[in-house]
Amino acid sequence: GAVVSQHPSRVICKSGTSVKIECRSLDFQATTMFWYRQFPKQSLMLMATSNEGSKATYEQGVEKDKFLINHASLTLSTLTVTSAHPEDSSFYICSARGSSDTQYFGPGTRLTVL
Amino acid sequence: RKEVEQDPGPFNVPEGATVAFNCTYSNSASQSFFWYRQDCRKEPKLLMSVYSSGNEDGRFTAQLNRASQYISLLIRDSKLSDSATYLCVVNPGGGGNKLTFGTGTQLKVEL
Repeated sequence: GAVVSQHPSRVICKSGTSVKIECRSLDFQATTMFWYRQFPKQSLMLMATSNEGSKATYEQGVEKDKFLINHASLTLSTLTVTSAHPEDSSFYICSARGSSDTQYFGPGTRLTVL
Repeated sequence: RKEVEQDPGPFNVPEGATVAFNCTYSNSASQSFFWYRQDCRKEPKLLMSVYSSGNEDGRFTAQLNRASQYISLLIRDSKLSDSATYLCVVNPGGGGNKLTFGTGTQLKVEL
């Protein structure tokens, strides 16, 4: 199946710093990428939909100025958590969709904000 | 009402048992349906799509009942390696190919 990578896999940072997470589709071009967040024992919650070359569409309740998304190419989308706080600690997962409807998930990034 | 509802479990079953999971969804206009598997602290992985006619993949059988807005997953001859959380996932339609995830049902297969 298609491969999606995320980097870093794990990050620990101090409160107030910004963290950038990269999502790459390795063997296909992703016209759309999605960013999810999952808190312990909860379901994945869609944060935003990212289309290459256009602004991301954010879900209700997700602050676009705090979670900056850039989808500059068909194989790369980045999520930057600005001024991270402990409540932003979570498992962030991206997915990528190519020409079919199937979404392929990255391995996730575990963010811990101290 | 949640968009996608599942019994969180856990379901503890002996190896070799048959186990069934159910899921209901609230949006009658939902277009496509999936079961994903998520292992602890890992990303979800597609197990199978779910079709109205029902579909089978080895030991796994998925069924969709649009009238009742109900989806099921049956696992036969459970293996220890089947232990995971099974996520019911729905594409609610309306464009954008978004997915809505249930909270998952935890399965533990024991010796």
